[in-house]
Amino acid sequence: EAGVAQSPRYKIIEKRQSVAFWCNPISGHATLYWYQQILGQGPKLLIQFQNNGVVDDSQLPKDRFSAERLKGVDSTLKIQPAKLEDSAVYLCACRSGGAYEQFFGPGTRLTVL
Amino acid sequence: GQNIDQPTEMTATEGAIVQINCTYQTSGFNGLFWYQQHAGEAPTFLSYNVLDGLEEKGRFSSFLSRSKGYSYLLLKELQMKDSASYLCAVRDPNAGGFKTIFGAGTRLFVKA
Repeated sequence: EAGVAQSPRYKIIEKRQSVAFWCNPISGHATLYWYQQILGQGPKLLIQFQNNGVVDDSQLPKDRFSAERLKGVDSTLKIQPAKLEDSAVYLCACRSGGAYEQFFGPGTRLTVL
Repeated sequence: GQNIDQPTEMTATEGAIVQINCTYQTSGFNGLFWYQQHAGEAPTFLSYNVLDGLEEKGRFSSFLSRSKGYSYLLLKELQMKDSASYLCAVRDPNAGGFKTIFGAGTRLFVKA
């Protein structure tokens, strides 16, 4: 089966600019996650979707970050405006119902200058 | 609170055995994962323990003691390609949607 697709793979922006990331999960995987991984740290959950509904967004900085999963398939994560501390890899992952394992995409490496 | 501790770095020799420890304190527990992450790549699943004891899968084994809040990942017959970060993660049912909480990872360097 095809894996998790993410784009772009790399993005460099200046602070206060906006940026959007896209994720296409494995077909049929109802649960979708966005993680932020800062260099040298483990992934931190930003938001979790079950189909197109939000299950957990408690660690999403809602003043600048937003995410949606229209039709319960693809998802986009947006940052507006970006700050220097947003420099990180943004990982998308998915999981099928009843399974424990999460499948991760290759990530988008964001650099904010 | 939620806390997962692992050593920051370890170095081992090709062909040897290495044990990576993980201790955790979470509000709830519904299983512990180990993921492997090569530099610049996505994490990939290695193991999942929900009951106490040792689970063996080829060269990799994972152990869990729920009463001690402790797990380890054992890598045997180390190969150069095993140089990577190893992430310990706990599935917490008390966090919304069975959140998976990751540790910072242990960077393993395998030398010839």
